[in-house]
Amino acid sequence: RKEVEQDPGPFNVPEGATVAFNCTYSNSASQSFFWYRQDCRKEPKLLMSVYSSGNEDGRFTAQLNRASQYISLLIRDSKLSDSATYLCVVTATPYSSASKIIFGSGTRLSIRP
Amino acid sequence: DAGITQSPRYKITETGRQVTLMCHQTWSHSYMFWYRQDLGHGLRLIYYSAAADITDKGEVPDGYVVSRSKTENFPLTLESATRSQTSVYFCASSNRELYEQYFGPGTRLTVT
Repeated sequence: RKEVEQDPGPFNVPEGATVAFNCTYSNSASQSFFWYRQDCRKEPKLLMSVYSSGNEDGRFTAQLNRASQYISLLIRDSKLSDSATYLCVVTATPYSSASKIIFGSGTRLSIRP
Repeated sequence: DAGITQSPRYKITETGRQVTLMCHQTWSHSYMFWYRQDLGHGLRLIYYSAAADITDKGEVPDGYVVSRSKTENFPLTLESATRSQTSVYFCASSNRELYEQYFGPGTRLTVT
């Protein structure tokens, strides 16, 4: 089993729809969680951090479920510009082990007009 | 505000040659990272550095060497390039452990 798993998609949804993806992780000692967005052939860019209490930034909501070991990303009122690959990142302290910073392989989202 | 830059952006080299990829950040972030991104594997950590003169291996360090004599620079050297090292390489930096990382624009390396 991979340490961090994401559904690769693609998720193909109409503009204005609500879409959600999950990211599961296997290391129960994981402490920090992030969602990044990556456009084709570009660098990943931070979308949002995921806090234990959950957090919201405009149309985007991130949740953490420690009991079931997954994080989620919800996008409301999707826009064409939301089309991208969404990467989850799970980290644990200390960084002294290679396995402590793990990127998911990403979920592709395509918004159609 | 330059942020984090990488050079070269594109590089073609031959098997067996030594190649150095440069990474420079202007934020004075303590942590810096090198990743490679390949289809089917996502981003994999090669090396990271917690501060100047402190480096440690990541998930896939074989065939790579790093150094960090100054906080702002973190070069990655492929000592003897192989075709399997054809990839997109991203450098990133972070202000503190477990905090979000900020990525450079990437270097697309082809080894022929």
